[in-house]
Amino acid sequence: AQTVTQSQPEMSVQEAETVTLSCTYDTSENNYYLFWYKQPPSRQMILVIRQEAYKQQNATENRFSVNFQKAAKSFSLKISDSQLGDTAMYFCAFRHTGTASKLTFGTGTRLQVTL
Amino acid sequence: DTGVSQDPRHKITKRGQNVTFRCDPISEHNRLYWYRQTLGQGPEFLTYFQNEAQLEKSRLLSDRFSAERPKGSFSTLEIQRTEQGDSAMYLCASSLASGTVNTEAFFGQGTRLTVV
Repeated sequence: AQTVTQSQPEMSVQEAETVTLSCTYDTSENNYYLFWYKQPPSRQMILVIRQEAYKQQNATENRFSVNFQKAAKSFSLKISDSQLGDTAMYFCAFRHTGTASKLTFGTGTRLQVTL
Repeated sequence: DTGVSQDPRHKITKRGQNVTFRCDPISEHNRLYWYRQTLGQGPEFLTYFQNEAQLEKSRLLSDRFSAERPKGSFSTLEIQRTEQGDSAMYLCASSLASGTVNTEAFFGQGTRLTVV
């Protein structure tokens, strides 16, 4: 079974600064996807960024980028130029490429962006 | 299409009562998932459908829980004889999987259940 670990329950960053959220996972699979989802207070979860395990290049979406270290089973999220609207719970998630496609989530990191 | 829709948004029920939640996925999505999220935790997988077929159920889904997707469109999740431990946010998500296409899951806003 897959496990996803987020060791930072809470983090804080000042507006315009950069913050990195950590995630490690454990799997015996070789082909899988990794995701970061954002869940703002009282709002639905939305996808921030996605990484295919077979791709060596780290995914980037505007101010969001990942550092994917497959051998270390590490998948961190970097948010550059943090904005107040980035305040949310961030969940790291794993999905293998089999037919099930269910997501396995970590426990989340609560990010607070301050002025 | 406005995305995944869940109804109701909030439900308070007395212990022992039955409750039913509804999820309307994005219209062209053939896969539908149910997750449960308790306070301070990430969502946990409960079950998923491909079209009308329920293909996988988690061990978390006790025999008091039943889910249906009768016409491959909307889905319902029923909890019978609710217990206080059932209090949680119930999330629905949908995705499209067809051939080489496998989109990410899009989530609804969830139904928050409180059992008193």
